[in-house]
Amino acid sequence: QSVLTQPPSASGTPGQRVTISCSGSRSNIGKSYVYWYQQLPGTAPKLLIHKNDQRPSGVPDRFSGSKSGTSASLAISGLRSEDEADYYCAVWDDSLRGVVFGGGTKLTV
Amino acid sequence: QVQLVESGGGVVQPGRPLRLSCAVSGFTFSNYAMHWVRQAPGKGLEWVAVISSDGSNKYYADSVKGRFTISRDNSKNTLYLQMKSLRAEDSAVYYCTRGVLTGYLGYWGQGTLVTVSS
Repeated sequence: QSVLTQPPSASGTPGQRVTISCSGSRSNIGKSYVYWYQQLPGTAPKLLIHKNDQRPSGVPDRFSGSKSGTSASLAISGLRSEDEADYYCAVWDDSLRGVVFGGGTKLTV
Repeated sequence: QVQLVESGGGVVQPGRPLRLSCAVSGFTFSNYAMHWVRQAPGKGLEWVAVISSDGSNKYYADSVKGRFTISRDNSKNTLYLQMKSLRAEDSAVYYCTRGVLTGYLGYWGQGTLVTVSS
């Protein structure tokens, strides 16, 4: 059971907007930056969003992150078939003194 | 370009040790904290350990504390994970990642598979 709670699955049709939630606590999301990672089938994870809402260079602006209190969200607009992947939120937990990941959300397009 | 290449994985018997290595290139290794993250077959990501840029600070997941040791050799641009008393539940693909101490896993290796089985 993960410290961060994500829905196990999400789905949408091409062009739609989907949102993936990540719920934590005061010791993790409430205190630290949230990161989002995308893992395409058979590949290593890739950083998608850092510091709650910042996109690394090369990540399309269809991807956006937000954080409020002890929860965070990843939004993907203009869904494309190539967005079909597993998405993970992650954050540093001050109580555990380590990085914690959400259980992951499998996005189906 | 930034490259991280893990090695050392394989099949190992329960209770035996194994050492993973991660050779890096394309950036100044000694400037970055490094993490190990693992993923059991068909499962999600699990953070394992982090070491600061100079090796002075190390943190571990509770699941590996006391059994795994993270270390680095900045002169060889190499990160290590010494694993002992391996269990079946340690079977996973192990990724090394570059980041800061508290996260920001910006670059990942391709992973090395560890299978703990008799």
